[in-house]
Amino acid sequence: AQSVTQLDSQVPVFEEAPVELRCNYSSSVSVYLFWYVQYPNQGLQLLLKYLSGSTLVKGINGFEAEFNKSQTSFHLRKPSVHISDTAEYFCAVNKAAGNKLTFGGGTRVLVKP
Amino acid sequence: DTAVSQTPKYLVTQMGNDKSIKCEQNLGHDTMYWYKQDSKKFLKIMFSYNNKELIINETVPNRFSPKSPDKAHLNLHINSLELGDSAVYFCASSQDAGGPQETQYFGPGTRLLVL
Repeated sequence: AQSVTQLDSQVPVFEEAPVELRCNYSSSVSVYLFWYVQYPNQGLQLLLKYLSGSTLVKGINGFEAEFNKSQTSFHLRKPSVHISDTAEYFCAVNKAAGNKLTFGGGTRVLVKP
Repeated sequence: DTAVSQTPKYLVTQMGNDKSIKCEQNLGHDTMYWYKQDSKKFLKIMFSYNNKELIINETVPNRFSPKSPDKAHLNLHINSLELGDSAVYFCASSQDAGGPQETQYFGPGTRLLVL
């Protein structure tokens, strides 16, 4: 079975500072990896996903993530955050031959002015 | 235009009642899902349907019954509501057969509070 661990439940960060959200996964087979964002009182929307190819994936709103197979990680980064990036961020994994998306517990990012 | 919509947005009800949550998507997608998000924000899949056929049925009490009248709609009916059913329920859809690489599009959620 696959599982996802997001190591930080909350990350406070000042506006215009960089942020990194950590995600580690566990799976015995190849996986696809996703980051979703949930703004307050809204549903989730896709930030980016890794399917294959380049391990550095660029997404919307200036976010990027790097797939590291040896470390089984898929950390999300943004070089300079805005107040509007305040949200809950979810890492998710699906087995390459699976049909069930498994989510991590989420990381709440609070951007302070 | 809302891609995935859910009604109602908020639902407050008493223990033991029966309630339904409706979901509609106008994206032309073939697969739809129900997720439950608990108070700690943990998100877990409950069901998925592809072209009105049940694909995923997680370990969910049989008080929960999904119904898909057509591929654009997936409703969730809950019988004999319990306190532990209080959560946010999200509907989602994806384009094709629910393959592992597909992006899922989420509705705004229905906040259910059982008193």
